[in-house]
Amino acid sequence: EDQVTQSPEALRLQEGESSSLNCSYTVSGLRGLFWYRQDPGKGPEFLFTLYSAGEEKEKERLKATLTKKESFLHITAPKPEDSATYLCAVHPRAGGFKTIFGAGTRLFVKA
Amino acid sequence: DTEVTQTPKHLVMGMTNKKSLKCEQHMGHRAMYWYKQKAKKPPELMFVYSYEKLSINESVPSRFSPECPNSSLLNLHLHALQPEDSALYLCASSPRPGQSTDTQYFGPGTRLTVL
Repeated sequence: EDQVTQSPEALRLQEGESSSLNCSYTVSGLRGLFWYRQDPGKGPEFLFTLYSAGEEKEKERLKATLTKKESFLHITAPKPEDSATYLCAVHPRAGGFKTIFGAGTRLFVKA
Repeated sequence: DTEVTQTPKHLVMGMTNKKSLKCEQHMGHRAMYWYKQKAKKPPELMFVYSYEKLSINESVPSRFSPECPNSSLLNLHLHALQPEDSALYLCASSPRPGQSTDTQYFGPGTRLTVL
């Protein structure tokens, strides 16, 4: 069964304290892996799409990497405005239009 | 510009009301989606329209009725809802349905409360 697991569920950091969020997946072939940021009560904001193992993408303080079994979202020197829930989602090769979401990691960055 | 708009932002309705949610995108995307999201949970797929045809209905109760009048618009008609239907309803669109490079872009959502 296709599955996406994110860890940790919640992460509390001090401003400037770099860390990583994990997304492990089990799918029958991967078409794409997506990272989104979601603020409370708002829609998910697209961050990155990764397609193949070894791929990396960066945007400001965020860097996403992909292996054959997991993806990491690295946050370098986070600021309080980075506080949000980060969602990982996968598009299985045999899944048609379906996107499978992980439960998310809630990130809190304290000044 | 990757913008999906949704109206209204908030909706409060009684169990006997009929209301509609609206979603619009002008990016030329050919797939549009409705998701339901409960607090602290990931989005759950409800419906997918691809090239204006309903492609996926995830066994959603008939009190939810989707409609895709054209490639830019998506509606969700609501009737006789239950309090447990209260949630954030998200619309998304993607440019290349069925292709490996497709990415979904979400709207801001409609917060629905059923009394």
